Amino acid sequence: GAGVSQTPSNKVTEKGKYVELRCDPISGHTALYWYRQSLGQGPEFLIYFQGTGAADDSGLPNDRFFAVRPEGSVSTLKIQRTERGDSAVYLCASSLAPFETQYFGPGTRLLVL
Amino acid sequence: GQQVMQIPQYQHVQEGEDFTTYCNSSTTLSNIQWYKQRPGGHPVFLIQLVKSGEVKKQKRLTFQFGEAKKNSSLHITATQTTDVGTYFCAGYFGNEKLTFGTGTRLTIIP
Repeated sequence: GAGVSQTPSNKVTEKGKYVELRCDPISGHTALYWYRQSLGQGPEFLIYFQGTGAADDSGLPNDRFFAVRPEGSVSTLKIQRTERGDSAVYLCASSLAPFETQYFGPGTRLLVL
Repeated sequence: GQQVMQIPQYQHVQEGEDFTTYCNSSTTLSNIQWYKQRPGGHPVFLIQLVKSGEVKKQKRLTFQFGEAKKNSSLHITATQTTDVGTYFCAGYFGNEKLTFGTGTRLTIIP
């Protein structure tokens, strides 16, 4: 079956602009996670959804970052007023339930100029 | 905050040699998972350890979870070029937030 997909695969934007990153989880997976991975680092937790609700958003760095999952499937990570420090690979993962194996998507490579 | 440290950061081995990476936490983990990330790729789940002192094997890979559930290790016997990548441990500290370690990048000298 299809894995986790993310679009776009690459995004280049200018400082101050708004971006949206999309994640399509594996069908039937109730848990969805967003991570950010900088070069040479491990994935850093941003937010976790169980169904439609954000169960834990403690990893979001500030209020410029926001994520939604309105129908409990596709999720969108939204970044306002992008800064150069936001440049990273944004990874999405999904699992059947909390604490189960997480399946990662290929990531969106964001570059803020 | 809750952190998971890994050593070494880098490891270069001759093909056929063994490789070990170690993972340490300052606080007790609920369970620990291991992932492999190939260059340019995304993390791929390898295994999960839950019980204190647990040991699991996958072909040439051996995973251990410490008795105190604060440390773990991954050992690869007789490395092959297909083992190249970064190995991450990741742990749960009692909630659903998975905390990744700093990773060990393995390169193989043919």
